[in-house]
Amino acid sequence: GAGVSQSPSNKVTEKGKDVELRCDPISGHTALYWYRQSLGQGLEFLIYFQGNSAPDKSGLPSDRFSAERTGGSVSTLTIQRTQQEDSAVYLCASSLSGGLEEEQYFGPGTRLTVT
Amino acid sequence: RKEVEQDPGPFNVPEGATVAFNCTYSNSASQSFFWYRQDCRKEPKLLMSVYSSGNEDGRFTAQLNRASQYISLLIRDSKLSDSATYLCVVNEVGNFNKFYFGSGTKLNVKP
Repeated sequence: GAGVSQSPSNKVTEKGKDVELRCDPISGHTALYWYRQSLGQGLEFLIYFQGNSAPDKSGLPSDRFSAERTGGSVSTLTIQRTQQEDSAVYLCASSLSGGLEEEQYFGPGTRLTVT
Repeated sequence: RKEVEQDPGPFNVPEGATVAFNCTYSNSASQSFFWYRQDCRKEPKLLMSVYSSGNEDGRFTAQLNRASQYISLLIRDSKLSDSATYLCVVNEVGNFNKFYFGSGTKLNVKP
């Protein structure tokens, strides 16, 4: 079946512009995660959704970052007034119900470059 | 201090070798532990969960040491296809759906 998809795969934007990243989780998965990975670094947790709710937004790096999920499916991560330090690969993952032991299935990521 | 720490490597080993990686975590009450594998410029994929009693999946063995707060991954009879970065993952207690990923240990298996 279809896995997690993300769009765009690559995004180059100028400093100060807003960008919107999209994630389509595996159908039926209620849990959705956003991470970012800077070059040579591990994954940094950003936010988690259970259904349309995000119980913890503390991982978002600044108030320029926001995320939403609608219909318990598609999620968008928005970065306003992008900065060069926002350049990274943004990864989305989903799991069946958010259980502690569940596998997270990752999408291919969106590579964001802020010039 | 990082929540999860790993030796970045790289570990360069010949085919057929046995190699082991360790990962330490800072929160003694963490409950879920995993090893993920990430190939170059690809997304991470689950390799195996780590259970308290230790578990094995073919050539791969994972161990958890709660007293010392580390988990390990042992790969026997290394294959060229094992070359990848191995990520240690630990959940955060109190916010069960927040997971911490280590920076990864890079393995290069050479002919």
